[in-house]
Amino acid sequence: GEDVEQSLFLSVREGDSSVINCTYTDSSSTYLYWYKQEPGAGLQLLTYIFSNMDMKQDQRLTVLLNKKDKHLSLRIADTQTGDSAIYFCAEILGGSYIPTFGRGTSLIVHP
Amino acid sequence: GAGVSQSPSNKVTEKGKDVELRCDPISGHTALYWYRQRLGQGLEFLIYFQGNSAPDKSGLPSDRFSAERTGESVSTLTIQRTQQEDSAVYLCASSPTISGNTIYFGEGSWLTVV
Repeated sequence: GEDVEQSLFLSVREGDSSVINCTYTDSSSTYLYWYKQEPGAGLQLLTYIFSNMDMKQDQRLTVLLNKKDKHLSLRIADTQTGDSAIYFCAEILGGSYIPTFGRGTSLIVHP
Repeated sequence: GAGVSQSPSNKVTEKGKDVELRCDPISGHTALYWYRQRLGQGLEFLIYFQGNSAPDKSGLPSDRFSAERTGESVSTLTIQRTQQEDSAVYLCASSPTISGNTIYFGEGSWLTVV
């Protein structure tokens, strides 16, 4: 199976919170990332979390890390239409410098 | 410039031709990555450069693919004898530290092989 797994689609109503989930398989992960990709654009680094942290908050974004379950989530508060994009989860394993990416979750925000 | 710069932004080439894609990392970034993203897919690692160390080429899909980097500056990804399955976005990223905690991507080079 894939090292980093994400559901492919998420649809939310404008103003609601979005929660995008990611699971990874290797407990030696050191850094975990969330990237945003808008149509026709490159990847924008949203946030990252080090494996010794459980939570990180940055304005509307909250990252939660459950190391026991190898589960990472990204919560977007007050989701706006401009948040519509593909969100990629990525991990760097201990001893490596190369991020492994999930296939991305397409977030659709509707009025 | 302030970000990772890639050129060309779009390239259409005929099957069998060679192409070169260029990446200018953020100044001072020692680590540089190339990834490939096929339409509707995730990111596929190609190659990693770190300072003057030997590059990690483990992701290159065939010997038609090669990449070079001059010191800690510009990198060029070369695809020889292009095939239609090479059509993809080629993304370059750079990072200021060996641990790679902040990795920044360019806008990508969109390659179409016809």
